[in-house]
Amino acid sequence: EIVLTQSPGTLSLSPGERATLSCRASQSVTNYLAWYQQKPGQPPRLLIHDTSNRAAGVPARFSASVSGTDFTLTVSSLEPDDSAVYYCLQRSAWPWTFGQGTKVEIK
Amino acid sequence: EVQLVESGGGLVQPGGSLRLSCAASGFTFTNYWMHWVRQAPGKGPEWVSRINPEGNYTNYVGSVKGRFFISRDNAKNVLFLQMHDLTADDTAVFYCARTLTPGEKTVPDSWGQGTLVTVSS
Repeated sequence: EIVLTQSPGTLSLSPGERATLSCRASQSVTNYLAWYQQKPGQPPRLLIHDTSNRAAGVPARFSASVSGTDFTLTVSSLEPDDSAVYYCLQRSAWPWTFGQGTKVEIK
Repeated sequence: EVQLVESGGGLVQPGGSLRLSCAASGFTFTNYWMHWVRQAPGKGPEWVSRINPEGNYTNYVGSVKGRFFISRDNAKNVLFLQMHDLTADDTAVFYCARTLTPGEKTVPDSWGQGTLVTVSS
């Protein structure tokens, strides 16, 4: 099973600041990595699929990239509505697995 | 508008069984892979199972193999998850989800609101 390790566990930033979230895979997942945002009481919302493709309706301030097995989600300028837990997900091998999540708090 | 509405959750005793349903609308159900994903209280999501559009190919996460069975009724646009031998570790919100792209094993972009399964005596 592929393990995804996310860091940091919690990110506390002010509106307008840049957020950088990391997801490291235990083995190659090629480009089959996605990012989800989840707010309390809601299902996950797809932000990014296949490493860097924004899902429909996702603001351009969300972007993602990869270097080897290290994936990064960047929020260029945080807004209060971005407060949530962010999960990465790999679909390279079954079972698909999520990272443990990064909580983003807006000060 | 894509709609996925789960039902069938509730309180069940350890060792019991439960059948979850997911009513789909707003898209051509027969074109999409469908998934069940669960999330234990305070934990991250965990993939449970997936099924192909025709309903003849399935996958399960190891912890539920032989206990959970996914199926679909393409005539009625409903996805099912039959669960047996439930334990406390199965306590979670169960989400039904549809993949992003028809016919492909892509990640889900549409999710239901979930149904809570609580296993307790």
